[in-house]
Amino acid sequence: EVHLVDSGGGLVQPGGSLRLSCAASGFTFSSHWMSWVRQAPGKGLEWVANINQGGSVEKYVDSVKGRFTISRDNARNSLDLQMNSLRAEDTALYFCARVDPGNGGYWVDWGQGTLVTVSS
Amino acid sequence: DIQMTQSPSTLSASVEDRVTITCRASQSVSSALAWYQQKPGKAPKLLIYRASMLQTGVPSRFSGSGSGTEFTLTISSLQPDDFATYYCQHYNSYPLTFGQGTKVEIK
Repeated sequence: EVHLVDSGGGLVQPGGSLRLSCAASGFTFSSHWMSWVRQAPGKGLEWVANINQGGSVEKYVDSVKGRFTISRDNARNSLDLQMNSLRAEDTALYFCARVDPGNGGYWVDWGQGTLVTVSS
Repeated sequence: DIQMTQSPSTLSASVEDRVTITCRASQSVSSALAWYQQKPGKAPKLLIYRASMLQTGVPSRFSGSGSGTEFTLTISSLQPDDFATYYCQHYNSYPLTFGQGTKVEIK
C-alpha cells in the first residue's frame, strides 16, 4: 500500500524559512515524478512544484520560483520542499503527492498534509 | 497559463439526484483532465483521469466526459458519501492548474 507522510510544517515569521519533508513507502519511489500541492485555508488547490525521477528536472508555479526548492533522496525514499523568503500568502496546508504511473501529471496518492502558517 | 473554470461553484442536491459539474479550460488541454473529490481536512481523492477514465476503486456512478476545452463530471445517483467539493485539474502543460472547486451540498 502506498504511504506518504508529510512533516515539517509550523509557524514561521514573514521572510523566514521552513523545510517540509515527505516520507514515501509502498512503491518504487525512484520511478515516479513527485509533487507538492498546497491549499490555503478555505481556498482551492494549487500546484506548487514537480521533480522528475532522478531529481534533474524541477518545475515550479511562478509565485514560488526563486524562493522554493524541491528535492528528493531516492536512497531514503524522501521528498523535500525548502521554502525561503516566506510570505503570508504561502500560508497553506502542503501535500506531497505521487504523480501517476504514466507520469502524465495527475496525482493518485497524497500525503495527509502539513500546515505552514506565515505570520508575525 | 491555462485557466480552469468550474460551474456551478455550489450545488444543492438530494440523495439519488443526478448531478453534473462543468469544467472549462481557457485553451485546449486535449484529454489531459482529472477530477478529484475532497472532504474537509482530507487530501483530495482521484476520481477520473484522461477526462473519462475511472480510477480503480471509484464507484461507477461517477463518470467523466469531454475533450479540448469543455468537460463534465456526472454523478448518476448522488449518495450520502458524495457530499464534498470537486475539483478539475488539467495536466496538458505547466503550470498545472485546478478549477476553483464545486461544493456539492445537501438540499
